[in-house]
Amino acid sequence: QSVLTQPPSVSAAPGQKVTISCSGSSSNIGNNFVSWYQQLPGTTPKLLIYENNKRPSGIPDRFSGSKSGTSATLGITGLQTGDEADYYCGTWDSSLSAGVFGTGTKVTVL
Amino acid sequence: EVQLVESGGGLVQPGRSLRLSCAASGFTFDHYAMHWVRQTPGKGLEWVSGISWNSDSVAYADSVKGRFTISRDSATNSLFLQMNSLRNEDTALYYCTKDHSPTVPASIRFDHWGQGALVTVSS
Repeated sequence: QSVLTQPPSVSAAPGQKVTISCSGSSSNIGNNFVSWYQQLPGTTPKLLIYENNKRPSGIPDRFSGSKSGTSATLGITGLQTGDEADYYCGTWDSSLSAGVFGTGTKVTVL
Repeated sequence: EVQLVESGGGLVQPGRSLRLSCAASGFTFDHYAMHWVRQTPGKGLEWVSGISWNSDSVAYADSVKGRFTISRDSATNSLFLQMNSLRNEDTALYYCTKDHSPTVPASIRFDHWGQGALVTVSS
């Protein structure tokens, strides 16, 4: 059972915006950087966001990240059919001394 | 080009052991921490274990602590996961991942992933 909670699914029409929340605690999100990963169907996870809000080279600025307190948020604007995937947040948990991932959110483009 | 290639997966009975390997290339292996992350088919990601660049620091998920051992060999640019006392719930696709930083505790900034090695624990 993950210590980071995400909504199971979010959906929106093409061109619209979605946000995905990741809720944790002071031992993980509250005091450590958050990363976000995209897993397209049948593929390996891909780093989308690191250090809460930074994008690796090649990741379009339609993807954004933010953090406030013990929660983090991934935003996707200008939604495209190619964005249909599972999205996971991840961080270090200082109390567990372990890495933790969120429960995952499936994005559907209507 | 960074490449991570896992091997050693397979079908094993509960209680038995298995050793996963990950061959790394395309980067300076002993500059970065490395991790194992697993995914049960159709389900989410679970961090399993991590090891610092010089093997001085290792960490494990509670679910595998005492049963799994992570190690690395800079001479062969390889990462290993020794899995003992395997359980049905260890059945998963095991990914080898490269961290962006050298240390554990980790950033969980995994910038490269292998294709995974499938481990099936069943009698």
